[in-house]
Amino acid sequence: ETGVTQTPRHLVMGMTNKKSLKCEQHLGHNAMYWYKQSAKKPLELMFVYNFKEQTENNSVPSRFSPECPNSSHLFLHLHTLQPEDSALYLCASSPAGVDYGYTFGSGTRLTVV
Amino acid sequence: KQEVTQIPAALSVPEGENLVLNCSFTDSAIYNLQWFRQDPGKGLTSLLLIQSSQREQTSGRLNASLDKSSGRSTLYIAASQPGDSATYLCAVRGGVNFGNEKLTFGTGTRLTIIP
Repeated sequence: ETGVTQTPRHLVMGMTNKKSLKCEQHLGHNAMYWYKQSAKKPLELMFVYNFKEQTENNSVPSRFSPECPNSSHLFLHLHTLQPEDSALYLCASSPAGVDYGYTFGSGTRLTVV
Repeated sequence: KQEVTQIPAALSVPEGENLVLNCSFTDSAIYNLQWFRQDPGKGLTSLLLIQSSQREQTSGRLNASLDKSSGRSTLYIAASQPGDSATYLCAVRGGVNFGNEKLTFGTGTRLTIIP
């Protein structure tokens, strides 16, 4: 375990379903991130939160809705997804400031059917 | 826009050999560079973090170097073992040219160590 916990590990959902991914860290970090990893493509940054405030939305479709209730928890709410949204969704955290590295969770493998 | 390239995309070497993985990036105004390891279907494990002011970092059998001016980094693995088989990802944290929160990734090198 890296200190960043993601649940569930695997998720299969229909295109009309609503589901949520959860990320939790107790490392004392103040920045949290969602990344998408699709086959044969580099990791894509989706959202960035600093001190609970969203500071980056990397042109992500509105069917993905992030929520950061506090510095330790991050959610990604999913609704009316498409099959091409199937991917590994990774959460990461880091201390505030640019001198620090990221710590990643184990990811949620999402399959949209 | 920062772009990160990793060559080769895949590499197979016999156990015990030393090997080098390469990473290049287009914008040298970075804060730091991080090497990760990813096992199939799993998350990323951080291996080494090099600040822009540093030339190299070492951890056990791993040594990472950084030449910021030329936009290059290498990850050297000594005395490779079958347990080193994984995908290795290089990522740079952007600097003055774009948001400093961004960690931009390469597509990785899939390493296989042959027993």
